Amino acid sequence: NAGVMQNPRHLVRRRGQEARLRCSPMKGHSHVYWYRQLPEEGLKFMVYLQKENIIDESGMPKERFSAEFPKEGPSILRIQQVVRGDSAAYFCASSPRIGSGRTNEKLFFGSGTQLSVL
Amino acid sequence: AQKVTQAQTEISVVEKEDVTLDCVYETRDTTYYLFWYKQPPSGELVFLIRRNSFDEQNEISGRYSWNFQKSTSSFNFTITASQVVDSAVYFCALSEFSNQFYFGTGTSLTVIP
Repeated sequence: NAGVMQNPRHLVRRRGQEARLRCSPMKGHSHVYWYRQLPEEGLKFMVYLQKENIIDESGMPKERFSAEFPKEGPSILRIQQVVRGDSAAYFCASSPRIGSGRTNEKLFFGSGTQLSVL
Repeated sequence: AQKVTQAQTEISVVEKEDVTLDCVYETRDTTYYLFWYKQPPSGELVFLIRRNSFDEQNEISGRYSWNFQKSTSSFNFTITASQVVDSAVYFCALSEFSNQFYFGTGTSLTVIP
């Protein structure tokens, strides 16, 4: 059973270009989270999605950033017109469908995408 | 306001010493879950433990143990007889009813041989 798959592992962009980060959750998982990790800042929540729905995007910058989790295919985190400050590690995590018991299952993390903006 | 506070930014210990990583959380929910994750130098976060708010029993798993105290809103993590392979960044996390997960800023542990 494959884990959470993120690609690319490393992404280099020049200022002003677009960055697209992909995340395939574990099989059977319908919840996806995106986090950004900056040195000495820990993991910062960005967005929480379920299939075809954005549940919570309170951590997403209002401009240039967007996320989707389509019915088919991976979740995409898209950063338009990247700036140097966007350089960071971006982690995706998934969890199973939450049943009526609401057990808040643990998050399974991918290996992350290291974005470098030149 | 920070929901999860890990006051220790960096800790260094000599191999075989015991070390405790602190975690303090803040929530108004009566049902919530606490987690610890390990991030080794390879970068991927590895799940260590999950506890719910109704289970205050301390847990031991090998050299790892966790002390959950609701009275002080703390969920501390102790590594006994530390080893070099324990060197990593450790994150404490809180999950509430909203199914949102909040992470602390992490504690970087270095075990010196």
